[in-house]
Amino acid sequence: GQNIDQPTEMTATEGAIVQINCTYQTSGFNGLFWYQQHAGEAPTFLSYNVLDGLEEKGRFSSFLSRSKGYSYLLLKELQMKDSASYLCAVSNDYKLSFGAGTTVTVRA
Amino acid sequence: DAGVTQSPTHLIKTRGQQVTLRCSPKSGHDTVSWYQQALGQGPQFIFQYYEEEERQRGNFPDRFSGHQFPNYSSELNVNALLLGDSALYLCASSDRPNEQYFGPGTRLTVT
Repeated sequence: GQNIDQPTEMTATEGAIVQINCTYQTSGFNGLFWYQQHAGEAPTFLSYNVLDGLEEKGRFSSFLSRSKGYSYLLLKELQMKDSASYLCAVSNDYKLSFGAGTTVTVRA
Repeated sequence: DAGVTQSPTHLIKTRGQQVTLRCSPKSGHDTVSWYQQALGQGPQFIFQYYEEEERQRGNFPDRFSGHQFPNYSSELNVNALLLGDSALYLCASSDRPNEQYFGPGTRLTVT
């Protein structure tokens, strides 16, 4: 079976840093995606990790530890437009299994 | 280059009716997956099509069926609609495991 856990909600101040953790227990693993989803819209791709370590892309970084079944998404220099749901998804042969999502609220 | 497109955008149906949703993948993508996203939840995998065949299926009843055409576009059909089928239906296309691009979705409301 698939079990993917992430916190339900997080709140942070504009300009700050927020780290969203994701733990997973899955029957197969090719890689781990992070998506951003604004209310009523489709998920948009943020990052894909297949090897252990940190991938940095502008204000967003993603980390993976396959042995620990753990990933995190780091959002730096938060902006109001970063208020959204962040979805962690494990990929197994093109099939994605998602967590329930973490709603991040950025306050001025 | 157009991304993934879906139609219609919104749809309202009555319990017991049937619905067909459509998806056109990103240019060059040959694999199409369908997901159901209930309010406040992450997307749930319904099934995946490759070369006009259903390659994988999630834990959804047989009321959910699909099709992929030679041009890689795809349809999702749901029969005997239930209130619980109300959700955002997302289509994702890819041509390799590290790429999954989502369309804007179809919001289905069953009354």
